[in-house]
Amino acid sequence: KAGVTQTPRYLIKTRGQQVTLSCSPISGHRSVSWYQQTPGQGLQFLFEYFSETQRNKGNFPGRFSGRQFSNSRSEMNVSTLELGDSALYLCASSQNSGVGNEQFFGPGTRLTVL
Amino acid sequence: AQSVTQLDSQVPVFEEAPVELRCNYSSSVSVYLFWYVQYPNQGLQLLLKYLSGSTLVESINGFEAEFNKSQTSFHLRKPSVHISDTAEYFCAVINNYGQNFVFGPGTRLSVLP
Repeated sequence: KAGVTQTPRYLIKTRGQQVTLSCSPISGHRSVSWYQQTPGQGLQFLFEYFSETQRNKGNFPGRFSGRQFSNSRSEMNVSTLELGDSALYLCASSQNSGVGNEQFFGPGTRLTVL
Repeated sequence: AQSVTQLDSQVPVFEEAPVELRCNYSSSVSVYLFWYVQYPNQGLQLLLKYLSGSTLVESINGFEAEFNKSQTSFHLRKPSVHISDTAEYFCAVINNYGQNFVFGPGTRLSVLP
């Protein structure tokens, strides 16, 4: 079974631009979660999607948004990029939503904002 | 809201020595606890988790962690480490409503030959 894939792996943008990151979950997984990892703030939960609906949301501004498609693939969008948005963005998938379901992480997309 | 503390940001240890990575949490409700490992240039992998039942949980590669409710701790231990255990280890908690998944700052374990 293929693992979680994220595209692109690396991205360079400038302040004020917007960016869209993509995540393809493991086949059969219906839940996708997004995380931001930075040296200063560590790993922070962004949001979780399950069956095309946002289930949980972390404490991030509205510039961060996401969506999930009927095939469970998910996209994350960040508008009006700021320097502080430079981070590794991780996507994780699980079969179902809920704490008992193990999350499998992708390799991440490293976003650099100049 | 929950919070997680990992007091040691870096832990160097010699190969075959025992190691303990500390994790403490705070929460006003019951929580579930996890340890994740991140090898260099890779994503996170679940190492072990405590949901209910026995307070001692084990992973397939020799790590174990014990949930101590009175001390609000979930320390990770291994009796004999290998070079391949070199990685960053994250403790995480989520409340029993399945909300607010919070990670600790991580502990970088370096196993020296």
